[in-house]
Amino acid sequence: DQQVKQNSPSLSVQEGRISILNCDYTNSMFDYFLWYKKYPAEGPTFLISISSIKDKNEDGRFTVFLNKSAKHLSLHIVPSQPGDSAVYFCAAESDSWGKLQFGAGTQVVVTP
Amino acid sequence: GAGVSQSPSNKVTEKGKDVELRCDPISGHTALYWYRQSLGQGLEFLIYFQGNSAPDKSGLPSDRFSAERTGGSVSTLTIQRTQQEDSAVYLCASQQGSYNSPLHFGNGTRLTVT
Repeated sequence: DQQVKQNSPSLSVQEGRISILNCDYTNSMFDYFLWYKKYPAEGPTFLISISSIKDKNEDGRFTVFLNKSAKHLSLHIVPSQPGDSAVYFCAAESDSWGKLQFGAGTQVVVTP
Repeated sequence: GAGVSQSPSNKVTEKGKDVELRCDPISGHTALYWYRQSLGQGLEFLIYFQGNSAPDKSGLPSDRFSAERTGGSVSTLTIQRTQQEDSAVYLCASQQGSYNSPLHFGNGTRLTVT
């Protein structure tokens, strides 16, 4: 069963605009959430994370929002740049679980 | 700096053969994961090692798959009697500590079973 869901397989956005990536989860025990970015032929790299005690975490152009009641998180990239074109994975874990659960990924294409 | 290293980067094998995939984690990282990504799919958890604890094998898809981690460092994922559906990119990741710290991934091994 897929406990972390990214329902949008792809997203196209113009350079300079905002990219919004969404992620839903089903397991209420998840309390730590991460976003990873993956370029072709490379492994995923860590981007940003958020603990369930927060509802927002910001790092430069990247902001993650967490809505625990809705079991939903989103990643905002603003402004989007061509180098942001990649697959973005949402991941979740709990202290008692011991392993990360990943979503299926969203392919972002930033056009000039 | 030294990241997670996986070898080989590509492996083509005939159906029915056994393959071994190797992962060298970042030195000092206590946790090691194996994931795989089939074409057009997300990251599928396979197995998780944490220190000296018994590994979490709950993601291994069949008994043809096994993994070991020697001396708390290098790990080998073995697939016996490979099938075409085993074709995927196999990703290894290591983690310092456990919960609440990011995974560091290698570049993966692309396995093609013909």
